[in-house]
Amino acid sequence: KNQVEQSPQSLIILEGKNCTLQCNYTVSPFSNLRWYKQDTGRGPVSLTIMTFSENTKSNGRYTATLDADTKQSSLHITASQLSDSASYICVVGQNAGNNRKLIWGLGTSLAVNP
Amino acid sequence: NAGVTQTPKFQVLKTGQSMTLQCAQDMNHEYMSWYRQDPGMGLRLIHYSVGAGITDQGEVPNGYNVSRSTTEDFPLRLLSAAPSQTSVYFCASSPGGRYGYTFGSGTRLTVV
Repeated sequence: KNQVEQSPQSLIILEGKNCTLQCNYTVSPFSNLRWYKQDTGRGPVSLTIMTFSENTKSNGRYTATLDADTKQSSLHITASQLSDSASYICVVGQNAGNNRKLIWGLGTSLAVNP
Repeated sequence: NAGVTQTPKFQVLKTGQSMTLQCAQDMNHEYMSWYRQDPGMGLRLIHYSVGAGITDQGEVPNGYNVSRSTTEDFPLRLLSAAPSQTSVYFCASSPGGRYGYTFGSGTRLTVV
């Protein structure tokens, strides 16, 4: 069964600290892996997209890694800010070139406290 | 550049009523889609379109209709609202390929 599992479910950190969110998937055939940030009451916003041949992608203080062999990805947030408080969703695309088959994880809820 | 605009932001319907959720994008994206987001579940695809005049079903299409007469607009119609359709609905667009989706701000629908 095609699944995307994220851990932890929720996380609380202090402002300025780093954190890493995990994503394991069993989607096949694999096309790409995406990370989205979703603020409360808003739509998801794309952070990174990686294909099979990419093992790291950065977007400002966000760095995503991909290990296609172990089917794992991580999102590292550096020097966290209060505005990083949100849900972070891992999404895996299935079938090369097919945008329509996206398997969505349930997200990790991150709270950054002052 | 407005991106993806959804209206209304909130709506309460009685069981059996019909309504249309509006979605418009100004980025000339060919691909548009509708998702619903429910607690404890990942986003689920309702319907999608790869261009004007072309639509197809996603994983949860029952009870919903769509049309795509222009590149810009992709309305979602609820034919006869049911309490199970209480959810947050998101419209998204993309140029296609390996580009990310741009989402609207969502419509929170309650069916009583």
